[in-house]
Amino acid sequence: QKEVEQNSGPLSVPEGAIASLNCTYSDRGSQSFFWYRQYSGKSPELIMSIYSNGDKEDGRFTAQLNKASQYVSLLIRDSQPSDSATYLCAVSMEYGNKLVFGAGTILRVKS
Amino acid sequence: DTAVSQTPKYLVTQMGNDKSIKCEQNLGHDTMYWYKQDSKKFLKIMFSYNNKELIINETVPNRFSPKSPDKAHLNLHINSLELGDSAVYFCASSTGGESNQPQHFGDGTRLSIL
Repeated sequence: QKEVEQNSGPLSVPEGAIASLNCTYSDRGSQSFFWYRQYSGKSPELIMSIYSNGDKEDGRFTAQLNKASQYVSLLIRDSQPSDSATYLCAVSMEYGNKLVFGAGTILRVKS
Repeated sequence: DTAVSQTPKYLVTQMGNDKSIKCEQNLGHDTMYWYKQDSKKFLKIMFSYNNKELIINETVPNRFSPKSPDKAHLNLHINSLELGDSAVYFCASSTGGESNQPQHFGDGTRLSIL
């Protein structure tokens, strides 16, 4: 069983729409959750972190965490073509900050 | 003012050779990491050092040997390179070893084995 699962996509949304990206994880002891954006040929870039149940908003991005369901999501409002990238969900499993990444969801925003 | 820098950016070499990748961070972080991203874009941790001490050592062939001369530097030496070592290797750093510290990535080193 994969530790962090994401739908590989591609997820296609029209410009201006809300993109919804989902992630599930297997370790109930996980404490910290991160979303990274990776453009093709580039390095992962941290866009959101979330540590407690509920929603966390930062600009057009909202991260949602539900530890009971072992589920974390990322909403991107007013999607722009520049948001087209692979979005990586990462979960920190234990001391030592070992990040376990999902395989990523490809997002395509069509203008 | 690059935060996490890796050299070289590209590395093309023959099977069986030995090569090194260097990483430096100027963020004042205590913890550094090496990740491997394979052709399917799956990113997986290899090693982590906190203040020059090895704290994460995943199941990696012992041909891979990390070295941290100080907390701002983490190098990766690879012996007897194999075709399967072709990947992008990312260095990352964070303020500490706790699980809530976000990690910041370098630009990656694309290693191609001929």
